[in-house]
Amino acid sequence: QLQFQESGPGLVKPSETLTLTCSVSGGSISGSGYSWAWIRQPPGKGLEWIGAIYPRGGINYNPSLKSRLTMSVDTSKNQFSLTLNSMTAADTAVYYCASDYSKGEFDHWGPGTLVTVSS
Amino acid sequence: QSALTQSASVSESPGQSITISCTGTGSDIGGFNFVSWYQQHPGKVPKLIMSDVSSRPSGVSNRFSGSKSGNTASLTISGLQAEDEGTYYCASYRSVNTVVIFGEGTKVSVL
Repeated sequence: QLQFQESGPGLVKPSETLTLTCSVSGGSISGSGYSWAWIRQPPGKGLEWIGAIYPRGGINYNPSLKSRLTMSVDTSKNQFSLTLNSMTAADTAVYYCASDYSKGEFDHWGPGTLVTVSS
Repeated sequence: QSALTQSASVSESPGQSITISCTGTGSDIGGFNFVSWYQQHPGKVPKLIMSDVSSRPSGVSNRFSGSKSGNTASLTISGLQAEDEGTYYCASYRSVNTVVIFGEGTKVSVL
């Protein structure tokens, strides 16, 4: 059973860069056939797909975030990461990492981490 | 990146059935069977309850069923129970820009 844990700062200043890491346990991040995704949810609002890293290494981003976003995988640490720069208050959200076994079917989720953008 | 359209809320009495709809376009729901549904209780992590339009993951109650017609997917909850209260989100693969799109969410209340 895959398990995830997000880690990163809970508070980021406007214009700064957010880096979040998702540690994966219960399975290998490479060769599993899963895609690795980030999803966020602003307080009181709905879910937003941020992007995903695919089994063969391809990466796809939400077009609305693409210019500020970088995602990567570290197979040696069994982790994947998200970097989002030029943060604004609109980026305040709970950020989840998740496994995607097909095209947008997220069967395992981390507990989520709240990131607040404030000076 | 427009979200899939869901009704904001639905309320029904215990034991009754409800159907939540999720409307997209031919580039997402209408073009592919990569439609999933998530249940989220307040303050909790979303849970996958339906995938590939109508496949229930292991452990999900058979009171949940999914279907699709044209550009609209539906989730039906039969024999409504208090534990079914929460917000339900649909999601679909969208071929434009190769992304995943979520619905706006439907809040289900059991009277």
